[in-house]
Amino acid sequence: TQLLEQSPQFLSIQEGENLTVYCNSSSVFSSLQWYRQEPGEGPVLLVTVVTGGEVKKLKRLTFQFGDARKDSSLHITAAQPGDTGLYLCADNYGQNFVFGPGTRLSVLP
Amino acid sequence: EAGVAQSPRYKIIEKRQSVAFWCNPISGHATLYWYQQILGQGPKLLIQFQNNGVVDDSQLPKDRFSAERLKGVDSTLKIQPAKLEDSAVYLCASSLDRVIEQYFGPGTRLTVT
Repeated sequence: TQLLEQSPQFLSIQEGENLTVYCNSSSVFSSLQWYRQEPGEGPVLLVTVVTGGEVKKLKRLTFQFGDARKDSSLHITAAQPGDTGLYLCADNYGQNFVFGPGTRLSVLP
Repeated sequence: EAGVAQSPRYKIIEKRQSVAFWCNPISGHATLYWYQQILGQGPKLLIQFQNNGVVDDSQLPKDRFSAERLKGVDSTLKIQPAKLEDSAVYLCASSLDRVIEQYFGPGTRLTVT
C-alpha cells in the first residue's frame, strides 16, 4: 500500500514571505497531483506532474517533481492571505487516488 | 457549468443511528467517487463508480456503509449504524473518466455523538 507523507504538517507565515512544502511517497508516483482545499470546501486541483525532474509554474506557485518520481515540492513566492488552505498531494494510483495528510498553511496579513 | 452538489452540508446524529448523504455530479461525468476525510487527514477513497457500476469499493466498511448510483447519475452513501469514528467530512467527486481530473463537491460534515 502506497503511503504519502507531507511536511511540514502546519505552517504559519506573514504575507510576502516565501515557503516550500514537501511530499514524499513510499513508492514511485504514477502521476502526482497537488490540490488546495479551503475551509468548508472540497479540494481543487492545482497541477498534475508526470515526468521525473519536471518543473511547472502556476503564477507564484512552482511545483517540482523529483528525478526518481518519489518526491515533490511546492514553492510559493510572496505568499498572500488567499493562499491559506490545506495543500494536499495525491497519486493517481491504479486509476484510484491516494492522498497525503496535507500541509495546513496560514498566511497572516 | 454547475459543480458537484452535495447535501446535507452538515449532519449531527447519535451513535447507532442511520444517515444518508446525496451527491449530484457534474452533468456528463461518468466516474463518481466518495471519500472520507477525517480531521487532520487527507481524503480516503471509499468507493468509485463508473456509470452505475462499482469499480473499487475495497476500502468501504461494508458491514455498515453502502452506496448506490442508480441510473448512473446521482448517488447516495449510507451509514447504518453509525459509530463515533465515522465523524468526518464525506466528499463526493466526479470526473469525465477515471484518469481525468476529478472535481470535488463541498462535502457533508458528519458528527456522531
